[in-house]
Amino acid sequence: EVQLVESGGGLVKPGGSLRLSCAGSGFTFSNAWMSWVRQAPGKGLEWVGRIKSKTDGGTTDYAAPVEGRFTISRDDSKTTLYLQMNSLKTEDTALYYCTTDGRDWGQGTLVTVSS
Amino acid sequence: DVVMTQSPLSLPVTLGQPASISCRSSQSLLYSDGNTYLNWFQQRPGQSPRRLIYKVSNRDSGVPDKFTGSGSGTDFTLKISRVEAEDVGVYYCMQGTHWPPTFGQGTKVEIK
Repeated sequence: EVQLVESGGGLVKPGGSLRLSCAGSGFTFSNAWMSWVRQAPGKGLEWVGRIKSKTDGGTTDYAAPVEGRFTISRDDSKTTLYLQMNSLKTEDTALYYCTTDGRDWGQGTLVTVSS
Repeated sequence: DVVMTQSPLSLPVTLGQPASISCRSSQSLLYSDGNTYLNWFQQRPGQSPRRLIYKVSNRDSGVPDKFTGSGSGTDFTLKISRVEAEDVGVYYCMQGTHWPPTFGQGTKVEIK
């Protein structure tokens, strides 16, 4: 059974940083393209970014609102996906999900950016 | 970015009756490889999204056959043949053809 477990969320001040983790199991993590998707409270879904598998280049792509501030990385030896978030803004407040490019989803971790 | 427009945004349905959700994209979702990357997701209250349909009409494993996806180009539809209480939630279409992937606003299905 595929499992994705996010962690690392919390309360942070505007301008601060946070690193989210997503531990994957039950599938061949190294072969998977992995993504982060967020959902602001009471709102819809927004794709944050994606990282390809290393065999497909391991490259990353980001949505415009986070480009230059967020960095996605992966450690295939630990079957873990990361999201480094810098220069956080109040509008980054959301539940952050990791997903195997849409097929399987974690339960999400809440990030609140507030002074 | 490709804009995905769903209608209706609210859908009250009587138990056992069918439901239909429309999704339109601002650009064609036909990719150069011949595939159309249009997905449908269900999000039950308090739960994570669950993918129901991928590439327009393919049901994911474990998804009951009462869910049917159809369409092409820029116009797509999700149909639920007989709505049950467990189908209550928000349904999203999502395109994966153009970067970044984008979602519709969501359609809230509730029991009348």
